[in-house]
Amino acid sequence: DGGITQSPKYLFRKEGQNVTLSCEQNLNHDAMYWYRQDPGQGLRLIYYSQIVNDFQKGDIAEGYSVSREKKESFPLTVTSAQKNPTAFYLCASSPDTSYSPLHFGNGTRLTVT
Amino acid sequence: SQELEQSPQSLIVQEGKNLTINCTSSKTLYGLYWYKQKYGEGLIFLMMLQKGGEEKSHEKITAKLDEKKQQSSLHITASQPSHAGIYLCGADSTGTASKLTFGTGTRLQVTL
Repeated sequence: DGGITQSPKYLFRKEGQNVTLSCEQNLNHDAMYWYRQDPGQGLRLIYYSQIVNDFQKGDIAEGYSVSREKKESFPLTVTSAQKNPTAFYLCASSPDTSYSPLHFGNGTRLTVT
Repeated sequence: SQELEQSPQSLIVQEGKNLTINCTSSKTLYGLYWYKQKYGEGLIFLMMLQKGGEEKSHEKITAKLDEKKQQSSLHITASQPSHAGIYLCGADSTGTASKLTFGTGTRLQVTL
């Protein structure tokens, strides 16, 4: 079945370490997104990519980096520069940017201590 | 940037009762999306509304878009335990659907 796979589901890191969250989709979607979810704050857009080898900053890109070398993959790196990295991270994709609903993965819960 | 306010923040209803969740935007709505989330999981797409006055239904869930009020409502009829979860509205304020802003969510509990 087609879908979006995020791995791992839970991730623990020590403060000061970079960590990369994986997102893979087999839906043949052009656009991919990374959102962060914190209690009481809804989802906030970190980065998005509409095509391979191109991506744009979202509303809270500071302390994060991404790459889009393949259509099906959009990994997110949480760097040590991110002040409050502990959160629930959601990856999404859509066929294009013309009012297509986003399809979401099941998320990765990152805890940094 | 666009802000989406959802009300209520949380809701507890008895099984069989009807309920309504509202989503109000600070900007013009070009598209409004409703999602459902189980705690600790991803979002499941429910419905998308684009035109003012548009209304869509799926099983016991109906969503409406009031373009003039920049508001959407989600109505659940005869609630069931399976309806429990977090309901989020997402909106496109750019007209390109390239960036969605989400509300903070409404947590729904359905009691027996």
